[in-house]
Amino acid sequence: GAGVSQTPSNKVTEKGKYVELRCDPISGHTALYWYRQSLGQGPEFLIYFQGTGAADDSGLPNDRFFAVRPEGSVSTLKIQRTERGDSAVYLCASSSTGNNEQFFGPGTRLTVL
Amino acid sequence: GENVEQHPSTLSVQEGDSAVIKCTYSDSASNYFPWYKQELGKGPQLIIDIRSNVGEKKDQRIAVTLNKTAKHFSLHITETQPEDSAVYFCAAIPNTDKLIFGTGTRLQVFP
Repeated sequence: GAGVSQTPSNKVTEKGKYVELRCDPISGHTALYWYRQSLGQGPEFLIYFQGTGAADDSGLPNDRFFAVRPEGSVSTLKIQRTERGDSAVYLCASSSTGNNEQFFGPGTRLTVL
Repeated sequence: GENVEQHPSTLSVQEGDSAVIKCTYSDSASNYFPWYKQELGKGPQLIIDIRSNVGEKKDQRIAVTLNKTAKHFSLHITETQPEDSAVYFCAAIPNTDKLIFGTGTRLQVFP
């Protein structure tokens, strides 16, 4: 079956611009996670949704980062006033209720010039 | 909070040899320990996991062991093949649902 998909695969933007990154989880998965991976490091947690609500947003670095999941399926990660330090691969994962297994998408590589 | 340490950072083996990657965690409440394989330009792929009520789990050429007392777990790959070359990450889930990842091990298998 279809796995987690993310669009775009690559995004280049200029410092100060606004970007949106999209995640399509595996069908039927109620939990959705966003992680950020810098070069040579492991993924770091940003935010976790259970259904439509953000159950844990403790990993968001500051108020420039925001994520939504209005219908409990697709999620969008929004970054305002991008900075060069935001450059990284943004990964999305999903899992089914009561199951710890998280399945990752291919990621969006964000480059802020 | 949870902290996961992973060793070694790089590992080179000859095809057919075994590879072992070790991780330690700090939060005794952690109860789920997955391993991910990440190839260049791709997302992490779940290859095996172990829960806290089990000491060992095997799936063909890969196995994972868990020592809850010592708070460490290991990935064992036997009969390595060139296609096993990738970066491997261990992770742990404490009482929350978020994965805490190790720093990764770059495995190179030489033919």
